[in-house]
Amino acid sequence: SAVISQKPSRDICQRGTSLTIQCQVDSQVTMMFWYRQQPGQSLTLIATANQGSEATYESGFVIDKFPISRPNLTFSTLTVSNMSPEDSSIYLCSVATGTFPYEQYFGPGTRLTVT
Amino acid sequence: QKEVEQNSGPLSVPEGAIASLNCTYSDRVSQSFFWYRQYSGKSPELIMSIYSNGDKEDGRFTAQLNKASQYVSLLIRDSQPSDSATYLCAVQGGYQKVTFGIGTKLQVIP
Repeated sequence: SAVISQKPSRDICQRGTSLTIQCQVDSQVTMMFWYRQQPGQSLTLIATANQGSEATYESGFVIDKFPISRPNLTFSTLTVSNMSPEDSSIYLCSVATGTFPYEQYFGPGTRLTVT
Repeated sequence: QKEVEQNSGPLSVPEGAIASLNCTYSDRVSQSFFWYRQYSGKSPELIMSIYSNGDKEDGRFTAQLNKASQYVSLLIRDSQPSDSATYLCAVQGGYQKVTFGIGTKLQVIP
């Protein structure tokens, strides 16, 4: 499986500011995903990020709030914009293998606290 | 709304026993199914994937799939205290999108 790193690992931010989370993979992958895991909850898919195309957002998530970049096959960023305390969560990137059953592997996550 | 249902637990089993974790899903066209283990404060770790009806074994872990009943399970044999974690069931539908259950917290009692 791919080795995935995320930066930062954690941050404390003030409301109204923005944070960009980086996800780096040690091999080229087509499909990358961004998830959110709120305390005591399961994982919720924010968007799918494919290189060379616009990210595809899930219901309840919009590009203005969570802009995503995917400049190449090993890197992606997720920005959490105009943060509020409700954005406090763990943000995870994942990558999928290129063949069925398209297993997903997760990065270590970014723990965000908004005050 | 595609759903994946799990009992949140906690499920407590004594060390050495078999732990049985269950999951049901609502989308009949789901193609593949995954079990992840998540330790507190860590990210999910893939244990197994399964996509054909029947059993799939990997070491102490056995995944079972019954598409007619829309049911997936994970058996952990000879449970160890190190198996104490939350186990997430995940179901893949179209476009490789995966839906996760809330997870079952497993406690293995020494």
